[in-house]
Amino acid sequence: SQKIEQNSEALNIQEGKTATLTCNYTNYSPAYLQWYRQDPGRGPVFLLLIRENEKEKRKERLKVTFDTTLKQSLFHITASQPADSATYLCALDRGGYQKVTFGTGTKLQVIP
Amino acid sequence: DAGVTQSPTHLIKTRGQQVTLRCSPKSGHDTVSWYQQALGQGPQFIFQYYEEEERQRGNFPDRFSGHQFPNYSSELNVNALLLGDSALYLCASSLMGTAAHFGDGTRLSIL
Repeated sequence: SQKIEQNSEALNIQEGKTATLTCNYTNYSPAYLQWYRQDPGRGPVFLLLIRENEKEKRKERLKVTFDTTLKQSLFHITASQPADSATYLCALDRGGYQKVTFGTGTKLQVIP
Repeated sequence: DAGVTQSPTHLIKTRGQQVTLRCSPKSGHDTVSWYQQALGQGPQFIFQYYEEEERQRGNFPDRFSGHQFPNYSSELNVNALLLGDSALYLCASSLMGTAAHFGDGTRLSIL
């Protein structure tokens, strides 16, 4: 069956460092991989989308890589700030009318 | 420009009852998807509506049904509520090929 795994443990890092979150998947061939941020009591907010034929995507302090051979995506936040503290979700999408499948999320805590 | 709005924000029901949740999509979006998010879990896809038709469905029983109206707004109905239906119900709207915009959800508690 399809499986999406994210760091199950919370990730604590010092302010100013780079946070790296992992998303691994099995039995899935996504056309797109998306990353969302979710704050407590709020809905997910879209951050970045990367296509299967792209290796890397950047947006301001965010960087996403996508390795379809390893079936893995890495999400980096450089120069992290306490305001970056949230749960980050990866989501796989086959494209077209296919449903989007979410991972369980990784809780990031940036310590001042 | 209003984003995705959901109502109500919170709801308390008892087992066996029925509930209707509502969603207004972001302006210009024509596709609405519904997700269930249990505490500490990622959102689980329930179904997706486009042009008033259910286009895709996740692994949810028939107790979960929906509707999309001509103005693209949508409703999620759950019958015969179970304790396990307690969750945050999220609505997301999108245009074909674009990322989804989520509302802040309806927190449903079943007693």
